[in-house]
Amino acid sequence: SAVISQKPSRDICQRGTSLTIQCQVDSQVTMMFWYRQQPGQSLTLIATANQGSEATYESGFVIDKFPISRPNLTFSTLTVSNMSPEDSSIYLCSVAKTVAVMGNEQFFGPGTRLTVL
Amino acid sequence: QQQVKQSPQSLIVQKGGISIINCAYENTAFDYFPWYQQFPGKGPALLIAIRPDVSEKKEGRFTISFNKSAKQFSLHIMDSQPGDSATYFCAASMTGGSYIPTFGRGTSLIVHP
Repeated sequence: SAVISQKPSRDICQRGTSLTIQCQVDSQVTMMFWYRQQPGQSLTLIATANQGSEATYESGFVIDKFPISRPNLTFSTLTVSNMSPEDSSIYLCSVAKTVAVMGNEQFFGPGTRLTVL
Repeated sequence: QQQVKQSPQSLIVQKGGISIINCAYENTAFDYFPWYQQFPGKGPALLIAIRPDVSEKKEGRFTISFNKSAKQFSLHIMDSQPGDSATYFCAASMTGGSYIPTFGRGTSLIVHP
């Protein structure tokens, strides 16, 4: 398994500001992801955080708005830039690990609950 | 766009009853079907998963039924308990290539005592 921690756990921010969310994993992982989960909604993949190279963003998400860093195999950050109330959401860090027999399993952090006023 | 359709959106069950959540997928290349359980304020946690080479997998009170020809799979929670109250997500993915699962929209389950 993988134990994932995120900081901060929650924050209330003013519009126009930026927030950086940190994700720390207890073991080295190749595949690391950032998701957004709006209240009562499913999980939307923002990007895949690639170690040593630029993140791969999903349709509708851009690097200028959600810059991501991945300096090593256990740590990543997601920045939500120039925030607006529409960015209010839960942001989840996730990793995938290969597990015998079943293949890849995905583990999630506890999430960062962001409220933008 | 690859989709996984999940139903119902919400479900209310009495304690001791059976909770059933259904999912359908389109892409026949999917070969891994996990279910996640999410409690309020927590991240989703893997509950149980199945591969298409079996039609059923059981772990305690939780069972996945899989119908490959219909491209459907479901989660059954037997003897549902108030502690099972959570949001459940089905997902589907391909183990070959880049591993990125497609998630269903989620089902909010409430088990009344």
